[in-house]
Formats: sequence, C-alpha cells, structure tokens
Amino acid sequence: GDSVTQMEGPVTLSEEAFLTINCTYTATGYPSLFWYVQYPGEGLQLLLKATKADDKGSNKGFEATYRKETTSFHLEKGSVQVSDSAVYFCALSYFGNEKLTFGTGTRLTIIP
Amino acid sequence: DGGITQSPKYLFRKEGQNVTLSCEQNLNHDAMYWYRQDPGQGLRLIYYSQIVNDFQKGDIAEGYSVSREKKESFPLTVTSAQKNPTAFYLCASSPAAGSGELFFGEGSRLTVL
Repeated sequence: GDSVTQMEGPVTLSEEAFLTINCTYTATGYPSLFWYVQYPGEGLQLLLKATKADDKGSNKGFEATYRKETTSFHLEKGSVQVSDSAVYFCALSYFGNEKLTFGTGTRLTIIP
Repeated sequence: DGGITQSPKYLFRKEGQNVTLSCEQNLNHDAMYWYRQDPGQGLRLIYYSQIVNDFQKGDIAEGYSVSREKKESFPLTVTSAQKNPTAFYLCASSPAAGSGELFFGEGSRLTVL
C-alpha cells in the first residue's frame, strides 16, 4: 500500500540556518503531495501542496518540489526563524479519495 | 472567527465508559473527518463524512462511532470496545471532499485511567 517516510526527528537548528526535511513516498499511482505543520498547542495547518510531477509548492518561505523520479517531496527553507518551531507532516492523497496518508512527523526546534 | 472547535481539550475516562468528543465547524464545509494521533505514528483516519446523514469507516473505525445529523457537527464516540483509546484525537473539515486540503481543530486528548 501507499506510505510516506519522513526523516527522524527531532531536528534542532540555529536561527537563519538552512532547513531540509526529507520526505519520500511509496505510491501505486500518481498522488498529490502535501506538507502540513502543527504549531505547539494547535491543530495541523496545510503549509503547501503539489499535485503533479515537477510542481513546486511554496508558502511562507518554505518550498517543496514533487520529484517523481526519486519519489520525494523534501521541504526546504533558506533561513529559518524561531517561529518555525513546530512539527511538520508530509502526506499524500489521490484526488477524489478521502484518505490522506501521513508520515510520522518531524519535530523542528529553532534556537535563537 | 471561522474555524473548527473541538471539546473538551482534555478528557479522562475510566475503563469501560463511553465518551463523546465534540467537533463543530462554521466553515460551511461538507466533508468532515476524525483522525487519531499517537506518538511516533502518523495520523490515522477513523471516520469521515462527505454529507449530512452519511459517513464512512476509515482505517481504524473499530471501537468508535460517529453521527452527522447537522452539517456543522460531527461528534465522535469512543466506546468501551476500543482496546487502546488513550490518544490525541483531531477533527478536520474540507471545502472539497477528496482534495486532501484539510482544516484541523486543536484536538482532544483522551486518557483512559
């Protein structure tokens, strides 16, 4: 079946560092890919998405590119801030299918 | 403000008791969902509803029940048949069923004593 694998956390970085959180997926078809973020004490929020190969999703300085050849959707940000501290979830789904398959989440802590 | 409201935020229950978690949304979304979040695991789908008076089982529906009598409300009952109910429960809604774009509540943490 379909699955999503994220890099193990926690990840700790200094402010203004470059961020990469790895996400790879296994899928039987051509899913849409998502990054969700969960800030402390809050529910998940959609951060960005990509619906087909080579699409780049971006939001709030974060980017991720749908790489079909490597089945990856790595999350990147050029300069992180303390306010980016959160848990990040990679997920996939097929349009018209109600099920979102989530990764286990990666906890990110940014130190001033 | 528009959003999803879950209550209670924290709940303690004795073994053998049923408990109902509330989820209300004022986003006018047709689709609503319940997910369970456990440490070290991704979110898992319990139940979903695409329209009033209709709902479908997700991957881990055993020991849970839901109802969808109103568009804005989708309560989840954790029954005594659920073998390991201690978890964090998240309710979500979507403006387009099957789009993958979900809006989540802040969650309810259930602890069984």
